[in-house]
Amino acid sequence: KNQVEQSPQSLIILEGKNCTLQCNYTVSPFSNLRWYKQDTGRGPVSLTIMTFSENTKSNGRYTATLDADTKQSSLHITASQLSDSASYICVVRVLAGGGADGLTFGKGTHLIIQP
Amino acid sequence: KAGVTQTPRYLIKTRGQQVTLSCSPISGHRSVSWYQQTPGQGLQFLFEYFSETQRNKGNFPGRFSGRQFSNSRSEMNVSTLELGDSALYLCASSVVSGRAPNYNEQFFGPGTRLTVL
Repeated sequence: KNQVEQSPQSLIILEGKNCTLQCNYTVSPFSNLRWYKQDTGRGPVSLTIMTFSENTKSNGRYTATLDADTKQSSLHITASQLSDSASYICVVRVLAGGGADGLTFGKGTHLIIQP
Repeated sequence: KAGVTQTPRYLIKTRGQQVTLSCSPISGHRSVSWYQQTPGQGLQFLFEYFSETQRNKGNFPGRFSGRQFSNSRSEMNVSTLELGDSALYLCASSVVSGRAPNYNEQFFGPGTRLTVL
């Protein structure tokens, strides 16, 4: 069964500090992995997408890594800001068709940045 | 370009009632997907529509149904509401690209918060 596990469930850090969120998956065959940011009361917004051959991808202060051998991904946030407070969702797609049923969602990590 | 819009944003219903939620995709997007989001389960796929046809369906009971119109706008309906249907319902639209379908990005709307009392 395709699964995506995220850790930690929730995280509180001080403004300016760095943090790393984890995503482990058992989705097969693997196509790509996205990290989404979901602000409270809003829909998720894509941060990065990574394919099998990509190890690292950055989007501003967000850096995602992918280890396709161990089926692990991480999202590193540098110099956190209050606006980074949100839920971060890892989504993995199987290699088939492109329909929405090919997506497996993690339950997300709820990140709180304290001033 | 306007984003995905969903109406209404908030809804309160009682058990046994039915509800209809609406989603307008980004202009030019022909695929619309619906998800249920709860704190315990995360996002769960309900169904996907493309060109007015249901393309895929998740593991939800028949009380959950949807449709898509010729202008790609979509509605989902939940009949005989139960307390457990309380959730955030998200709609997402995407451009269906035959060249790289696996990389189609889903653009989400703000959701409709449904509370069943």
